[in-house]
Amino acid sequence: GAGVSQSPSNKVTEKGKDVELRCDPISGHTALYWYRQSLGQGLEFLIYFQGNSAPDKSGLPSDRFSAERTGGSVSTLTIQRTQQEDSAVYLCASSPTGDTQYFGPGTRLTVL
Amino acid sequence: QQQVKQSPQSLIVQKGGISIINCAYENTAFDYFPWYQQFPGKGPALLIAIRPDVSEKKEGRFTISFNKSAKQFSLHIMDSQPGDSATYFCAASNTLQGAQKLVFGQGTRLTINP
Repeated sequence: GAGVSQSPSNKVTEKGKDVELRCDPISGHTALYWYRQSLGQGLEFLIYFQGNSAPDKSGLPSDRFSAERTGGSVSTLTIQRTQQEDSAVYLCASSPTGDTQYFGPGTRLTVL
Repeated sequence: QQQVKQSPQSLIVQKGGISIINCAYENTAFDYFPWYQQFPGKGPALLIAIRPDVSEKKEGRFTISFNKSAKQFSLHIMDSQPGDSATYFCAASNTLQGAQKLVFGQGTRLTINP
């Protein structure tokens, strides 16, 4: 079956611009996560959605970052007024409420 | 605060050898410890996972050893193959907290020489 998909696969933007990153989770998975992977670093948790519950935003690095999940499925991560330090691979994962998280291929964001 | 420390950062092993990657954690509330494998340009994929009620779990050539008192766990890859060359991440989470957000180690770049 289809896995987690993310778009775009690559995004190059100029400092100060806003960007939107999209995640399509595996159908039926109620939990959705966003992580950030900086060059040569491990993965850093950003935000978590579980069903209709309020999202866990504890990992968002600043108020420039926000995320939505519409209809319990597709999620969009928005970064406003991008900075060079935002350059990273943004990974989305979904889970059927169990332990296993299934990751998408990521979006590589480059801020010039 | 880095809650999961992983070592080594890079590892080179000859084909057929044993690859060993170690992780240590600080939060005693962690109760789920997965290992992920990541190839260049791909997202991480779950390799094997363990809970602290067992000291070892084996799946094929991959084994997790878990030491609860030392707060350490390790991944052993037996008969390492060139196709195992990838970056490996250990992780931990507190599933009882309900969020299950994973805390990752820094990663180990494994190279298997043919």
